[in-house]
Amino acid sequence: DAGVTQSPTHLIKTRGQQVTLRCSPKSGHDTVSWYQQALGQGPQFIFQYYEEEERQRGNFPDRFSGHQFPNYSSELNVNALLLGDSALYLCASSYGTGGREQYFGPGTRLTVT
Amino acid sequence: GQQVMQIPQYQHVQEGEDFTTYCNSSTTLSNIQWYKQRPGGHPVFLIQLVKSGEVKKQKRLTFQFGEAKKNSSLHITATQTTDVGTYFCAGLGIRKLNTGTASKLTFGTGTRLQVTL
Repeated sequence: DAGVTQSPTHLIKTRGQQVTLRCSPKSGHDTVSWYQQALGQGPQFIFQYYEEEERQRGNFPDRFSGHQFPNYSSELNVNALLLGDSALYLCASSYGTGGREQYFGPGTRLTVT
Repeated sequence: GQQVMQIPQYQHVQEGEDFTTYCNSSTTLSNIQWYKQRPGGHPVFLIQLVKSGEVKKQKRLTFQFGEAKKNSSLHITATQTTDVGTYFCAGLGIRKLNTGTASKLTFGTGTRLQVTL
Protein backbone atom coordinates (compact mmCIF):
# COMPACT_ATOMS: atom_id res chain seq x y z
CA ASP A 1 0.00 0.00 0.00
CA ALA A 2 1.68 3.19 -1.20
CA GLY A 3 1.69 6.13 1.11
CA VAL A 4 1.47 9.73 0.02
CA THR A 5 3.69 10.47 -2.95
CA GLN A 6 4.85 13.85 -4.21
CA SER A 7 6.68 15.01 -7.30
CA PRO A 8 9.14 16.36 -8.01
CA THR A 9 11.39 15.94 -4.97
CA HIS A 10 13.46 19.01 -5.73
CA LEU A 11 12.91 22.00 -7.96
CA ILE A 12 14.86 25.16 -8.74
CA LYS A 13 13.01 28.10 -10.27
CA THR A 14 13.72 31.74 -11.01
CA ARG A 15 11.79 34.69 -9.57
CA GLY A 16 8.66 35.42 -11.57
CA GLN A 17 8.28 31.89 -12.89
CA GLN A 18 5.40 29.53 -12.19
CA VAL A 19 5.56 26.08 -10.64
CA THR A 20 3.25 23.07 -10.32
CA LEU A 21 3.70 20.47 -7.60
CA ARG A 22 1.87 17.15 -7.57
CA CYS A 23 0.54 14.87 -4.86
CA SER A 24 -1.07 11.43 -4.80
CA PRO A 25 -2.86 10.62 -1.56
CA LYS A 26 -2.61 7.43 0.42
CA SER A 27 -4.92 4.71 -0.83
CA GLY A 28 -8.41 5.17 0.61
CA HIS A 29 -7.95 8.84 1.39
CA ASP A 30 -10.08 11.49 -0.28
CA THR A 31 -8.86 14.74 1.26
CA VAL A 32 -5.63 16.56 0.47
CA SER A 33 -4.11 19.45 2.42
CA TRP A 34 -1.06 21.43 1.38
CA TYR A 35 1.49 23.01 3.70
CA GLN A 36 4.51 25.23 3.31
CA GLN A 37 7.41 24.61 5.68
CA ALA A 38 10.22 27.15 5.79
CA LEU A 39 13.55 26.04 7.22
CA GLY A 40 13.36 25.68 10.99
CA GLN A 41 9.62 26.43 11.11
CA GLY A 42 6.46 24.43 11.53
CA PRO A 43 4.30 23.61 8.50
CA GLN A 44 1.92 26.44 7.52
CA PHE A 45 -1.48 25.45 6.15
CA ILE A 46 -2.08 26.60 2.57
CA PHE A 47 -5.42 24.97 1.69
CA GLN A 48 -7.49 21.80 1.81
CA TYR A 49 -9.23 20.03 -1.07
CA TYR A 50 -12.15 17.64 -0.84
CA GLU A 51 -14.55 16.54 -3.56
CA GLU A 52 -12.50 18.56 -6.05
CA GLU A 53 -13.21 21.81 -4.21
CA GLU A 54 -11.08 24.06 -2.07
CA ARG A 55 -12.70 23.74 1.36
CA GLN A 56 -10.49 25.91 3.54
CA ARG A 57 -7.63 28.26 2.93
CA GLY A 58 -4.84 29.61 5.09
CA ASN A 59 -3.22 33.05 4.89
CA PHE A 60 -1.64 32.68 1.48
CA PRO A 61 -2.05 35.05 -1.49
CA ASP A 62 -3.99 34.19 -4.62
CA ARG A 63 -0.71 33.34 -6.32
CA PHE A 64 -1.15 29.99 -4.60
CA SER A 65 -3.84 27.91 -6.21
CA GLY A 66 -4.70 24.26 -6.38
CA HIS A 67 -6.75 21.58 -7.94
CA GLN A 68 -8.04 18.16 -7.01
CA PHE A 69 -8.78 15.52 -9.60
CA PRO A 70 -11.51 12.84 -9.58
CA ASN A 71 -8.91 10.25 -8.46
CA TYR A 72 -8.23 12.47 -5.39
CA SER A 73 -4.73 13.47 -6.50
CA SER A 74 -3.94 17.15 -6.27
CA GLU A 75 -1.78 19.90 -7.67
CA LEU A 76 -0.42 23.05 -6.08
CA ASN A 77 0.36 25.93 -8.41
CA VAL A 78 2.37 28.98 -7.46
CA ASN A 79 2.56 31.92 -9.86
CA ALA A 80 4.98 34.84 -9.97
CA LEU A 81 7.46 33.14 -7.66
CA LEU A 82 9.21 35.19 -5.02
CA LEU A 83 12.43 34.42 -3.19
CA GLY A 84 10.35 33.96 -0.05
CA ASP A 85 8.49 31.07 -1.64
CA SER A 86 11.57 28.90 -1.18
CA ALA A 87 10.48 26.15 1.20
CA LEU A 88 9.53 22.52 1.59
CA TYR A 89 6.00 21.98 0.28
CA LEU A 90 4.21 19.15 2.01
CA CYS A 91 1.09 17.37 0.94
CA ALA A 92 -0.97 15.51 3.52
CA SER A 93 -3.89 13.20 2.92
CA SER A 94 -6.68 12.07 5.20
CA TYR A 95 -10.08 10.44 5.07
CA GLY A 96 -12.80 13.07 5.16
CA THR A 97 -12.56 16.62 6.43
CA GLY A 98 -13.48 15.98 10.05
CA GLY A 99 -9.97 16.20 11.40
CA ARG A 100 -8.65 12.66 11.29
CA GLU A 101 -4.91 12.06 11.36
CA GLN A 102 -3.03 13.28 8.34
CA TYR A 103 -0.41 11.32 6.44
CA PHE A 104 2.33 13.46 4.99
CA GLY A 105 4.29 12.92 1.82
CA PRO A 106 8.05 13.39 1.61
CA GLY A 107 7.64 16.93 0.28
CA THR A 108 8.96 18.96 -2.63
CA ARG A 109 11.91 21.20 -1.89
CA LEU A 110 11.45 24.40 -3.93
CA THR A 111 14.31 26.83 -4.31
CA VAL A 112 13.64 30.20 -5.94
CA THR A 113 16.70 32.11 -7.16
CA GLY B 1 -5.74 34.22 13.76
CA GLN B 2 -5.00 31.19 15.88
CA GLN B 3 -1.45 30.90 17.16
CA VAL B 4 0.19 27.81 18.66
CA MET B 5 3.43 28.21 20.55
CA GLN B 6 5.74 25.54 21.88
CA ILE B 7 8.49 25.63 24.47
CA PRO B 8 11.32 25.02 24.58
CA GLN B 9 12.49 25.64 21.02
CA TYR B 10 15.38 23.26 21.48
CA GLN B 11 16.49 20.74 24.09
CA HIS B 12 19.60 18.66 24.29
CA VAL B 13 19.54 15.70 26.70
CA GLN B 14 21.71 12.75 27.56
CA GLU B 15 20.28 9.38 26.66
CA GLY B 16 18.15 8.13 29.54
CA GLU B 17 17.04 11.57 30.68
CA ASP B 18 13.42 12.68 30.44
CA PHE B 19 12.10 15.32 28.05
CA THR B 20 8.96 17.46 28.00
CA THR B 21 7.60 19.89 25.42
CA TYR B 22 4.71 22.23 26.11
CA CYS B 23 2.18 23.54 23.63
CA ASN B 24 -0.11 26.57 24.11
CA SER B 25 -2.86 27.81 21.82
CA SER B 26 -4.33 31.29 21.71
CA THR B 27 -7.79 29.77 21.17
CA THR B 28 -9.71 26.70 22.33
CA LEU B 29 -9.05 23.68 20.16
CA SER B 30 -11.41 21.00 18.82
CA ASN B 31 -8.59 18.56 19.29
CA ILE B 32 -4.82 18.49 19.23
CA GLN B 33 -2.52 16.26 17.27
CA TRP B 34 1.16 15.55 17.77
CA TYR B 35 3.66 14.89 15.00
CA LYS B 36 7.34 13.98 14.91
CA GLN B 37 9.65 15.08 12.13
CA ARG B 38 13.06 13.48 11.85
CA PRO B 39 15.88 15.59 10.36
CA GLY B 40 15.37 15.72 6.59
CA GLY B 41 12.04 13.92 6.90
CA HIS B 42 8.37 14.73 6.92
CA PRO B 43 5.94 14.98 9.85
CA VAL B 44 4.66 11.64 11.10
CA PHE B 45 1.45 11.43 13.10
CA LEU B 46 1.87 10.31 16.71
CA ILE B 47 -1.46 10.80 18.44
CA GLN B 48 -4.69 12.78 18.65
CA LEU B 49 -6.26 14.08 21.87
CA VAL B 50 -9.91 15.07 21.86
CA LYS B 51 -11.29 15.29 25.38
CA SER B 52 -10.58 17.91 28.00
CA GLY B 53 -8.01 16.59 30.47
CA GLU B 54 -7.26 13.54 28.34
CA VAL B 55 -4.04 11.60 28.97
CA LYS B 56 -2.72 9.00 26.54
CA LYS B 57 0.40 6.87 26.66
CA GLN B 58 2.43 5.25 23.92
CA LYS B 59 5.25 3.23 25.49
CA ARG B 60 7.65 5.91 26.82
CA LEU B 61 5.56 8.83 25.50
CA THR B 62 2.81 10.48 27.57
CA PHE B 63 0.49 13.05 26.02
CA GLN B 64 -1.83 15.37 27.93
CA PHE B 65 -4.58 17.74 26.84
CA GLY B 66 -5.38 20.61 29.16
CA GLU B 67 -8.70 21.03 30.91
CA ALA B 68 -9.44 24.22 28.96
CA LYS B 69 -8.37 22.55 25.69
CA LYS B 70 -5.87 25.32 25.05
CA ASN B 71 -2.67 23.56 26.03
CA SER B 72 -1.00 20.20 25.77
CA SER B 73 2.25 18.47 26.64
CA LEU B 74 4.36 15.57 25.48
CA HIS B 75 6.64 13.83 27.96
CA ILE B 76 9.23 11.24 26.96
CA THR B 77 10.64 9.03 29.70
CA ALA B 78 14.20 7.76 29.42
CA THR B 79 15.00 9.21 26.02
CA GLN B 80 16.79 7.18 23.39
CA THR B 81 18.78 8.30 20.35
CA THR B 82 15.85 7.18 18.20
CA ASP B 83 13.79 9.98 19.78
CA VAL B 84 15.85 12.64 17.98
CA GLY B 85 13.72 14.96 15.87
CA THR B 86 11.36 17.90 16.06
CA TYR B 87 8.07 17.43 17.85
CA PHE B 88 5.14 19.51 16.71
CA CYS B 89 1.76 19.94 18.25
CA ALA B 90 -1.00 20.93 15.86
CA GLY B 91 -4.33 22.39 16.83
CA LEU B 92 -7.33 21.33 14.82
CA GLY B 93 -10.00 23.82 13.86
CA ILE B 94 -13.16 22.54 12.18
CA ARG B 95 -15.44 24.80 10.18
CA LYS B 96 -18.98 23.92 9.19
CA LEU B 97 -19.86 24.67 5.60
CA ASN B 98 -23.13 24.41 3.71
CA THR B 99 -21.58 21.44 1.92
CA GLY B 100 -20.10 19.72 4.94
CA THR B 101 -17.03 20.52 7.00
CA ALA B 102 -13.48 21.72 6.49
CA SER B 103 -10.57 21.26 8.85
CA LYS B 104 -7.33 23.08 9.32
CA LEU B 105 -4.29 22.14 11.33
CA THR B 106 -2.32 24.97 12.88
CA PHE B 107 1.13 23.68 13.71
CA GLY B 108 3.11 24.87 16.68
CA THR B 109 6.60 26.25 16.44
CA GLY B 110 8.08 22.86 17.30
CA THR B 111 10.64 21.61 19.81
CA ARG B 112 13.82 20.15 18.44
CA LEU B 113 15.15 17.32 20.57
CA GLN B 114 18.76 16.23 20.44
CA VAL B 115 19.81 13.10 22.35
CA THR B 116 23.43 12.14 22.88
CA LEU B 117 25.01 9.07 24.45
